[in-house]
This record gives sequence, structure tokens and C-alpha cells, in this order.
Amino acid sequence: DAGITQSPRHKVTETGTPVTLRCHQTENHRYMYWYRQDPGHGLRLIHYSYGVKDTDKGEVSDGYSVSRSKTEDFLLTLESATSSQTSVYFCAISELGGPNTEAFFGQGTRLTVV
Amino acid sequence: QQQVKQSPQSLIVQKGGISIINCAYENTAFDYFPWYQQFPGKGPALLIAIRPDVSEKKEGRFTISFNKSAKQFSLHIMDSQPGDSATYFCAASKDSSNTGKLIFGQGTTLQVKP
Repeated sequence: DAGITQSPRHKVTETGTPVTLRCHQTENHRYMYWYRQDPGHGLRLIHYSYGVKDTDKGEVSDGYSVSRSKTEDFLLTLESATSSQTSVYFCAISELGGPNTEAFFGQGTRLTVV
Repeated sequence: QQQVKQSPQSLIVQKGGISIINCAYENTAFDYFPWYQQFPGKGPALLIAIRPDVSEKKEGRFTISFNKSAKQFSLHIMDSQPGDSATYFCAASKDSSNTGKLIFGQGTTLQVKP
């Protein structure tokens, strides 16, 4: 398995509170991604990073922010959690970010907003 | 707007049978089409991928068929086994973006009965 660790693995939080999810990689891959997985929607890209301090939005970025201060860490923050953000969040990494480049996924974080 | 549409949502196949999952895409700029396999509690993992310059790619019991004119591609699992029971996602990405961003289908839950 690719060296990707997501933390926490499970979290329950209250509406309106900020939440930060962490993705840590030991592969020194340049590209990192945050996806959310919801029934009927597959996986949807939230934000991605193409280097330290270089990030960009994905298709469902509203309500989320990210930071990457080191190659190995990519943080996803829910600024004010809402029930619609209850989901399973996956971090992924890839080396070149181009086509035919395999993306390796972490084990996921199950977030419940009550 | 769902750029990659996947069907069926769920599939039940007898052991030894053929499982077929279909995907259709809209953006003709897509040029990389991977399939991911996901077991419960795990992150997705790359199963097989194809580029549009070939019409078919086979790896063991898994085959991707690609129809560029119809903007469709499909996964065929020959001699399906209970261990193949998982959720399968098709995906697509664009070479020109050089970011590795993936657009996923909605997913298909496959159950192979012994």
C-alpha cells in the first residue's frame, strides 16, 4: 500500500464547528487531492495541490479550504461544518499528475456532522 | 452536471459469469479512462486503465472496451469470483490539464454469488 495516512479515521462533530482532516504521505509525491464520496455521486474532487503552498479548487470546493505547508501533509478544513458535509473523505496522491498516472488513495475519513 | 455516467448502480452475478459495467462521458477532451475497485472500508485502488488510441485492453480476467465515437467505455469481468465483490468506479481525466484530476462515475456495487 502507498504510504498514505489519513487522520482521524472517524469523527463526529456539531454543525457550525470547524473541522480539520489531515493527510500525510511518505511517498514524496508532488500531487495531493481531497475527494468526498457520497452514495449516487461517486467521488468528487474538493481541492488539490500541485506543490507546497500551491493549491486549486475542485468541483465541490464551497465550504472547504486546504493548506499544504510541507510536501508530505495536506490539510482539509471545513470552516463551519454543515450536515451536507457528512461524507467519507479520501485523500489521494500521484507522482506526475499527468495522464496514465496512478492515483493512490488513503483509507478514508468518515465524518458525521450532527 | 455529471460528466461521467455509470450504470448499472448495482449488479448481481453468479460465480463464473461475466460482469459488465458501462460508462458514458461527455467531454471529448478526456483522454485517460481508469477503473477503480473499492472494498468496504478501504480506499479505491486502480484496477485497469485505457487511453482512446486503443479499443480494448485486457489484464487477466478484466477487460476495458472503448468506443470513442459513442463516447462510451465498459469494464468486463470474466469468470467472476466472489472475491470480485466490490464497488467499481469508472473515471476520466484530461491530458491538457496535467493535474491528474479525476472525474468519477457514480459507482457500481457488484455482488458475485457463490
